Amino acid sequence: DAGITQSPRYKITETGRQVTLMCHQTWSHSYMFWYRQDLGHGLRLIYYSAAADITDKGEVPDGYVVSRSKTENFPLTLESATRSQTSVYFCASSETGGLVGYTFGSGTRLTVV
Amino acid sequence: QKEVEQDPGPLSVPEGAIVSLNCTYSNSAFQYFMWYRQYSRKGPELLMYTYSSGNKEDGRFTAQVDKSSKYISLFIRDSQPSDSATYLCAASGGSYIPTFGRGTSLIVHP
Repeated sequence: DAGITQSPRYKITETGRQVTLMCHQTWSHSYMFWYRQDLGHGLRLIYYSAAADITDKGEVPDGYVVSRSKTENFPLTLESATRSQTSVYFCASSETGGLVGYTFGSGTRLTVV
Repeated sequence: QKEVEQDPGPLSVPEGAIVSLNCTYSNSAFQYFMWYRQYSRKGPELLMYTYSSGNKEDGRFTAQVDKSSKYISLFIRDSQPSDSATYLCAASGGSYIPTFGRGTSLIVHP
């Protein structure tokens, strides 16, 4: 199916564990992004990528790692999960970099206990 | 202070009303302006984007940008219960990364 898919949709993990959130897009968009959305903060950019093997930090990168070995995949790893990383995570992609908008995935709801 | 400010609401209106959703921004470099709609437990969905000042219409939705006052508006005519969602404005320019407002919750009651 064409589009942008995130997996898993829901995840519960324990403090200190490593967890990876997956993002896959089928359009071959150059740009991909990871956001977290929290009440009172709105969407905050974690990391972004302008092309395969090119990644850059956003507003809140601490505690997260990304990679982009293939254009269509952009996984986000929490190296050692903390309760403050409980959030809803959205992946997005764009051909134009975001100037005229993104397409977002459906999100991953992560709970760290 | 965030570069894009948006009243979180909720804004509650009766079905059929004209809805006005607004944002202000502070960065004069912003040239592109976007509106997203987000239903509960879903990802944001791009509704419309505009470039520079002026109006853009798409069905019941009209986006308006006034760069002189740094004001962004989204008007919804003949609002429906299915329009109940959170609406996020965003702006970009200079950098291609948009800055998002925190969203306004809209409730349209039958």
